[in-house]
Amino acid sequence: RKEVEQDPGPFNVPEGATVAFNCTYSNSASQSFFWYRQDCRKEPKLLMSVYSSGNEDGRFTAQLNRASQYISLLIRDSKLSDSATYLCGSFGNQFYFGTGTSLTVIP
Amino acid sequence: GAGVSQTPSNKVTEKGKYVELRCDPISGHTALYWYRQSLGQGPEFLIYFQGTGAADDSGLPNDRFFAVRPEGSVSTLKIQRTERGDSAVYLCASSLSGLGTEAFFGQGTRLTVV
Repeated sequence: RKEVEQDPGPFNVPEGATVAFNCTYSNSASQSFFWYRQDCRKEPKLLMSVYSSGNEDGRFTAQLNRASQYISLLIRDSKLSDSATYLCGSFGNQFYFGTGTSLTVIP
Repeated sequence: GAGVSQTPSNKVTEKGKYVELRCDPISGHTALYWYRQSLGQGPEFLIYFQGTGAADDSGLPNDRFFAVRPEGSVSTLKIQRTERGDSAVYLCASSLSGLGTEAFFGQGTRLTVV
């Protein structure tokens, strides 16, 4: 079983829609969680950390559910510029990443 | 400030040759990670350094792959007897500590084995 699993999508949503991604992790001892954004042929860039209490940054909300071992990312009012692949990462003994979820926002 | 720097950005090599990929982490970052990413896949963990030592090298696929970080800063990933299946983007990331602080990626080295 992979350390971190994500639905690869693709998710195709209209502009203005709300979209949610989930990610599960297998190591219950994982301590830190993150969402990264990766554009085509570019390196992953940190989008936000995920805290136990949940955290919000503008249109983006990240949540952690330790009991069920998943993290989520909610994007509200999707913009064309949100089109990218979203990677979740967890840190237990080292950083593991999921395969990424592809999002395309359609005009 | 300077981010994570990887050189070269592109490398084409013949099957069977030896290659070295370099990573220069953010200054002061003690943790350094190497990943390999193929098209349509997420970053695949290879090795993690805490300071000069490899804290976890369980992701190295076989003994053709080796990495060093002799002074706790720059790291080199070395691949012997390259195979076509080694073609991928090799990503390096660094973080302030090895305690789950955010990791920042370099732009990657695109390795093509022909």
